[in-house]
Amino acid sequence: AQTVTQSQPEMSVQEAETVTLSCTYDTSESDYYLFWYKQPPSRQMILVIRQEAYKQQNATENRFSVNFQKAAKSFSLKISDSQLGDAAMYFCAYRSYQGGSEKLVFGKGTKLTVNP
Amino acid sequence: DSGVTQTPKHLITATGQRVTLRCSPRSGDLSVYWYQQSLDQGLQFLIHYYNGEERAKGNILERFSAQQFPDLHSELNLSSLELGDSALYFCASSVGPNSPLHFGNGTRLTVT
Repeated sequence: AQTVTQSQPEMSVQEAETVTLSCTYDTSESDYYLFWYKQPPSRQMILVIRQEAYKQQNATENRFSVNFQKAAKSFSLKISDSQLGDAAMYFCAYRSYQGGSEKLVFGKGTKLTVNP
Repeated sequence: DSGVTQTPKHLITATGQRVTLRCSPRSGDLSVYWYQQSLDQGLQFLIHYYNGEERAKGNILERFSAQQFPDLHSELNLSSLELGDSALYFCASSVGPNSPLHFGNGTRLTVT
């Protein structure tokens, strides 16, 4: 079964600095999608970034970028120029659909604190 | 705004009662997922519907049930409520199996 592991329950970063959140996953599938979601104190779940496994190029959305290492099954999120509004819980998610079977797995989350 | 609408935003009820949570997916999305999130916990998958049919069940209690209607909105019914059912209940929708989930703002249920 697919699993998603976020090994850092909590992280902190100084405002304007860069931080990287780790995510590893376990799968035998070759075609899948990976996502990072942000949950601020308002408890909304906000899609931050997505990565298709067949794409070698790492996804980027403004200050957010990923380091996708397919062979290592690693999908880390880098936040550059951290802002106070980046403080949130971040969830990594794996999704695939093969042979009529859908798999959708979330990690347990990493709580990011941004210090002024 | 994700386009997914959940009502009500807050619900306070007593133990033993029954409540219904409602979700309207984004226009064009056929899949609806329900998740439960207790305080400071991760997301617990409850159930998935696709175009009116149940596709997958997660850790959903027998006291809980759900359905997706022909207009694609979905309802999650929680009965014989217990204190431990207090949580944030999310609905999410997706256009297809390889697309991101888009979450509603959640319904915060408090059981007293």
